[in-house]
Amino acid sequence: DAGVIQSPRHEVTEMGQEVTLRCKPISGHNSLFWYRQTMMRGLELLIYFNNNVPIDDSGMPEDRFSAKMPNASFSTLKIQPSEPRDSAVYFCASVEHAGHEQYFGPGTRLTVT
Amino acid sequence: KQEVTQIPAALSVPEGENLVLNCSFTDSAIYNLQWFRQDPGKGLTSLLLIQSSQREQTSGRLNASLDKSSGRSTLYIAASQPGDSATYLCASQGGSEKLVFGKGTKLTVNP
Repeated sequence: DAGVIQSPRHEVTEMGQEVTLRCKPISGHNSLFWYRQTMMRGLELLIYFNNNVPIDDSGMPEDRFSAKMPNASFSTLKIQPSEPRDSAVYFCASVEHAGHEQYFGPGTRLTVT
Repeated sequence: KQEVTQIPAALSVPEGENLVLNCSFTDSAIYNLQWFRQDPGKGLTSLLLIQSSQREQTSGRLNASLDKSSGRSTLYIAASQPGDSATYLCASQGGSEKLVFGKGTKLTVNP
């Protein structure tokens, strides 16, 4: 398996623009997680899905952030409008079953200028 | 609210040394505890997962222990190598599938 796939790997955009991050989980995995990593706050969970249904979005910072999982093999995290404080590395992870190891993608490094 | 702490934030050791990385958590009602490795500019790689009913897990030169009652986990690395240089993160999982991460220990193994 190719592992968790994220695109793009790097994104540079101007403040106010819409940003869409994409994730393909490992085939057969039931849950998908979006994390954000910054030097100040470390790794934070934004939202997670189980069987394509959002279970917990309490980590989504504000209404500018939204996430969807239209099918078992694809998820998006959208920021609209983007702000400089959104600059971070965004990771997607998937897990086969609850309580098992989470597998992380390589991340998307987002820079908002 | 679960809080996970890793001390020290950074550690530098000579090659060949055995070392221990520490992780503490405030809520002992955890489902499992995971240790990850992160190389610069990369994602996280899972190293070991300890279920709440287990005391330790081993993989090669790595051994992770869990003491729920004291809210502690340790990652022991035997005979460290320069290739072990990375940031090591621990994460606890509670009743949901959510992981709460520490901020990591940056390990440097000097040749």
